[in-house]
Amino acid sequence: GAVVSQHPSRVICKSGTSVKIECRSLDFQATTMFWYRQFPKQSLMLMATSNEGSKATYEQGVEKDKFLINHASLTLSTLTVTSAHPEDSSFYICSARNLAGPKNIQYFGAGTRLSVL
Amino acid sequence: AQSVTQPDIHITVSEGASLELRCNYSYGATPYLFWYVQSPGQGLQLLLKYFSGDTLVQGIKGFEAEFKRSQSSFNLRKPSVHWSDAAEYFCAVGTEDTGTASKLTFGTGTRLQVTL
Repeated sequence: GAVVSQHPSRVICKSGTSVKIECRSLDFQATTMFWYRQFPKQSLMLMATSNEGSKATYEQGVEKDKFLINHASLTLSTLTVTSAHPEDSSFYICSARNLAGPKNIQYFGAGTRLSVL
Repeated sequence: AQSVTQPDIHITVSEGASLELRCNYSYGATPYLFWYVQSPGQGLQLLLKYFSGDTLVQGIKGFEAEFKRSQSSFNLRKPSVHWSDAAEYFCAVGTEDTGTASKLTFGTGTRLQVTL
């Protein structure tokens, strides 16, 4: 149980294009999902908290217009990197909290490696 | 604000040897502590967690961790390491749930290499 699916696992795009990453909770409902960014050999940095049916809460320094988050249902959150540039290349990981489970536990997706050419 | 320190960036152990990964945290209230493991190019898998109660917690894959409040530590241990344990290990502290999002703060990670 508590499986989080993230798609795509890898994406290569041209500079200036937008990329959408999906995060799905497969066997549970998640009112809250989190989006992290991980640079090579570094830790995870929280970008934003995604709440179903409401606006996402962004961490300081994260551009809202650059990283659009939509959490339209209890099982799906999307992160759209708009007008991507090479500096946006990174490993993006989502996590989800089970609505019916302990609120402090996050279940993670397998991540998306974004490469912007 | 909470913080997590993992002093060891890289550790190498022989297969079959014991392992201890260090984690120190800073948080003003009762912490919620976690250890996650990440294989290359993958997401994070929860190894174990501490919320309250018994300070020695058992996790998956034969791992355990001990919460020591006096030392603000939550070190991860395994009696006998297997080659498949080679991965990146992250310690994290979470805030007490207040009905809103409970964020996790991660340490910088410790890369474990296992020699045969």
